[in-house]
Amino acid sequence: GAVVSQHPSRVICKSGTSVKIECRSLDFQATTMFWYRQFPKKSLMLMATSNEGSKATYEQGVEKDKFLINHASLTLSTLTVTSAHPEDSSFYICSARRTGEYYNEQFFGPGTRLTVL
Amino acid sequence: TQLLEQSPQFLSIQEGENLTVYCNSSSVFSSLQWYRQEPGEGPVLLVTVVTGGEVKKLKRLTFQFGDARKDSSLHITAAQPGDTGLYLCAGDTGTASKLTFGTGTRLQVTL
Repeated sequence: GAVVSQHPSRVICKSGTSVKIECRSLDFQATTMFWYRQFPKKSLMLMATSNEGSKATYEQGVEKDKFLINHASLTLSTLTVTSAHPEDSSFYICSARRTGEYYNEQFFGPGTRLTVL
Repeated sequence: TQLLEQSPQFLSIQEGENLTVYCNSSSVFSSLQWYRQEPGEGPVLLVTVVTGGEVKKLKRLTFQFGDARKDSSLHITAAQPGDTGLYLCAGDTGTASKLTFGTGTRLQVTL
């Protein structure tokens, strides 16, 4: 399978600060990456689709000014949680889509545990 | 809204038992992927099925895609503690780039 890295793996910050999470596809180029949020013992909730060279597409209910996404290259997307508050504490996971001749596959990063104090 | 319902939601079995997880939808998917996720980690892709009726095997895991490409199943033979985790199915309609994720099945295999 393909490799997707995520950094940092764990971050603790004070309320009101901003946190940046990086997602990199290490062995393939990804024009499309995705950011998910996962609550304890729940499935994945898609937050936004990150498109290389263009604006991200946010899911309904996700504040785009709160969760800033930048996809500056074919291997890197970043998610910045601005003015973080305790309710933003969660497990954030990115994925990168690898385009194939007949079908596409998504590969996930290891996730980032964000704790806002 | 497309929904992928997985059943059962939770399964606790003993080592050596067999089990089947189901993933059902009213939507047709161009492909469907199965993932396993362990606590504190990202999901790991297990398999992608594409053709209606397709069966794929990965050691003790057998994946099947329904003939109409609306449903899928995962069968595990002789489960082991290492199979413990959250199993997620995810469907790709092919018209949008994003996947539709199932509700998840949490499997616990004990000695």
